[in-house]
Amino acid sequence: KAGVTQTPRYLIKTRGQQVTLSCSPISGHRSVSWYQQTPGQGLQFLFEYFSETQRNKGNFPGRFSGRQFSNSRSEMNVSTLELGDSALYLCASSLLAGGSNEQYFGPGTRLTVT
Amino acid sequence: GENVEQHPSTLSVQEGDSAVIKCTYSDSASNYFPWYKQELGKRPQLIIDIRSNVGEKKDQRIAVTLNKTAKHFSLHITETQPEDSAVYFCAASRVEGSQGNLIFGKGTKLSVKP
Repeated sequence: KAGVTQTPRYLIKTRGQQVTLSCSPISGHRSVSWYQQTPGQGLQFLFEYFSETQRNKGNFPGRFSGRQFSNSRSEMNVSTLELGDSALYLCASSLLAGGSNEQYFGPGTRLTVT
Repeated sequence: GENVEQHPSTLSVQEGDSAVIKCTYSDSASNYFPWYKQELGKRPQLIIDIRSNVGEKKDQRIAVTLNKTAKHFSLHITETQPEDSAVYFCAASRVEGSQGNLIFGKGTKLSVKP
């Protein structure tokens, strides 16, 4: 099976812009979770989508949003970018929802905000 | 909400020695505890997990122990090898049906010196 893929792999944006990141899960996986990874904070949960519905949301401002399509591909959007949004954004797919089973991570999108 | 503390943040051992990483969690209802390994520049990968109805689980040189009363769990790596060098993340999840999400510790950078 092909693994989880994310596009683009690298992105440079300026403050105030918005960005959309994409994640394609492993075939058959209907759950996609998004995480922000920074050196000081580790992996922080953003949100989880399952069958096109947001199931859980982490403690991030409303500038961070996402959606999932009928083929389970997911996108996350960050509006009005801030310098502090610079991070590695990882998505992970799993068979079941709710974080109770193995999550398969993608390679991540490295976002740099200048 | 759930909070996961992980110690130490860095750990250096000689090849062949054992390494122990400890995590504590705050939500006594958490019931799923995975460990992920992230090598430099790569995606996190699950190495072992344990559920709250089990006190210990082993897989070759890796073992995880869980103390529900004290709300802590630990990763034990025996006979460490240079390829064990990576960042290790613990996580906890309170899964109720399909609700719940993983909360990660901030990671432990393990260095195994030949």
